[in-house]
Amino acid sequence: GAVVSQHPSRVICKSGTSVKIECRSLDFQATTMFWYRQFPKQSLMLMATSNEGSKATYEQGVEKDKFLINHASLTLSTLTVTSAHPEDSSFYICSARPTTERGVPLSSYNEQFFGPGTRLTVL
Amino acid sequence: KNQVEQSPQSLIILEGKNCTLQCNYTVSPFSNLRWYKQDTGRGPVSLTIMTFSENTKSNGRYTATLDADTKQSSLHITASQLSDSASYICVVSRSSNQFYFGTGTSLTVIP
Repeated sequence: GAVVSQHPSRVICKSGTSVKIECRSLDFQATTMFWYRQFPKQSLMLMATSNEGSKATYEQGVEKDKFLINHASLTLSTLTVTSAHPEDSSFYICSARPTTERGVPLSSYNEQFFGPGTRLTVL
Repeated sequence: KNQVEQSPQSLIILEGKNCTLQCNYTVSPFSNLRWYKQDTGRGPVSLTIMTFSENTKSNGRYTATLDADTKQSSLHITASQLSDSASYICVVSRSSNQFYFGTGTSLTVIP
């Protein structure tokens, strides 16, 4: 149980294009999902918290107009990197926290399950 | 300031040997601490979760300890295998949506 998928797993695009990354919780509902970015040999950096039915909460220094987040349903969140540039090349990881439809965490530990990541390369 | 520091930054050990990874934190108030294993190019996978009242928790060859007084945790790996080569990340939670990632320890197990 508790599987999170990401699509695509790898994407190469030209500078100036937009790229959409999907994060799906396959066997549970999640009103809250998280988006991270990871550079080589560094730990995960939280970019934003995606909330189903409301606006995402962005971490300080993350441009909300650059990284568009849409939490369309209880099992799907998307991250769109708009007008991508080479410096946006990174490993993007999402995670999802199992909750009820009303957002009550199902785990007493507030566990989050991570997707396999998406490698974005902008040429 | 809420911080999580891990040591060593990287570690190379021979297959079959044991090793211990350290995690020190200043996160307060403390909720729980998790150790994750992240294989290269993959998402993190949870190894253990520990709350304030738990001192030791095992998951197969992985044993985590927690000293809430000194705000230290360790992850001990017994009889290492080549497949243990990965990054190990300590994550400390302050509340339901506030959590702090350590910088990770890169472990390489060589034959």
